[in-house]
Amino acid sequence: GQQLNQSPQSMFIQEGEDVSMNCTSSSIFNTWLWYKQDPGEGPVLLIALYKAGELTSNGRLTAQFGITRKDSFLNISASIPSDVGIYFCAGYFNNDMRFGAGTRLTVKP
Amino acid sequence: NAGVTQTPKFQVLKTGQSMTLQCAQDMNHEYMSWYRQDPGMGLRLIHYSVGAGITDQGEVPNGYNVSRSTTEDFPLRLLSAAPSQTSVYFCASSWGNEQFFGPGTRLTVL
Repeated sequence: GQQLNQSPQSMFIQEGEDVSMNCTSSSIFNTWLWYKQDPGEGPVLLIALYKAGELTSNGRLTAQFGITRKDSFLNISASIPSDVGIYFCAGYFNNDMRFGAGTRLTVKP
Repeated sequence: NAGVTQTPKFQVLKTGQSMTLQCAQDMNHEYMSWYRQDPGMGLRLIHYSVGAGITDQGEVPNGYNVSRSTTEDFPLRLLSAAPSQTSVYFCASSWGNEQFFGPGTRLTVL
């Protein structure tokens, strides 16, 4: 089956720093999604990408759908304490959605 | 709009017991799905449904059954629980490719 490799596994940063994380796959997807999960909650959609090469922003978050359709990245600029959580990438193809293992982000004030 | 609701929030079972995890959505979404989340593994798709009366297997379907008699409800059944099914279970419903997740059910099988 399709596997997603998400990196890094965890990040410890200072408030105000920028963050970058990415996902790669051995197979193509026709949609890439980025979610954030807070403790004890379900994942919440941050950004959805539908076309290869697409670059989309949502406030301080920017994500891109790779040209090869096998990768995507998420950037967070000027991090703040409430950015703490686990970030998941997800790829969607033919009614099947696969998730990366997540990037755990810690922001030190 | 309550969105996606799941019950119970927590459950402890003994090996061999059966139970049903409930999921309901009030957004009139056709697509619903069940995932399990284990440490370090992200979410894995168990079963999904593209509409009432239609279900299909995901990545890890063994040990689980589903049915979809209405658009709103998509219960997940464990017929004979095993310790390997200890996990957090999330139900989701979709509009297009954008999934909305419920708050999860934390299941422990002893």
